[in-house]
Amino acid sequence: DTAVSQTPKYLVTQMGNDKSIKCEQNLGHDTMYWYKQDSKKFLKIMFSYNNKELIINETVPNRFSPKSPDKAHLNLHINSLELGDSAVYFCASSQVFSSRTDTQYFGPGTRLTVL
Amino acid sequence: LAKTTQPISMDSYEGQEVNITCSHNNIATNDYITWYQQFPSQGPRFIIQGYKTKVTNEVASLFIPADRKSSTLSLPRVSLSDTAVYYCLVGDIDFNKFYFGSGTKLNVKP
Repeated sequence: DTAVSQTPKYLVTQMGNDKSIKCEQNLGHDTMYWYKQDSKKFLKIMFSYNNKELIINETVPNRFSPKSPDKAHLNLHINSLELGDSAVYFCASSQVFSSRTDTQYFGPGTRLTVL
Repeated sequence: LAKTTQPISMDSYEGQEVNITCSHNNIATNDYITWYQQFPSQGPRFIIQGYKTKVTNEVASLFIPADRKSSTLSLPRVSLSDTAVYYCLVGDIDFNKFYFGSGTKLNVKP
């Protein structure tokens, strides 16, 4: 009974392709996030999604689009993949929409490699 | 913006106490300080959170001075399994811009 799950765990694809990563949480949380972790281990938030309200980090290219069919799922779709998109992508969830006090629960990550 | 600064890496030996300090000069009044632990090929995991003074749980202690511009994560008697990257997170007024910092890679040696 994994709290936050992601699929696939590994994703290898060619430049220019479109791909999706799926995330599901069974914690009943209201907020979900997508993070990108680069090769230097910097963990940067990409999106927050709270009760179907999307908060976009404006530094993220519009090739990245999160989609939330319901509160328990937040998928990440990436168009026209580029070499620089290679990274580990983490999904996370929290009970409330706040970075100040609420614990975030992370998924196992999806390692994306763009060739 | 409440960015954080941590040492890139630290070495320790089993059984020692390890203290990792995080600087957050621009912390906002209502911000809490949270520490996460990340093992290779896994997502970060919550360790401890605090607002001021000292917080202790079953795995760590968190020391926060009165000015709150820094915090120190203390791991008592580390073991090899504590080898991981430790991140300091401080909430930002703009919620979608909170920073995890660069993390501190702790290497525990036998």
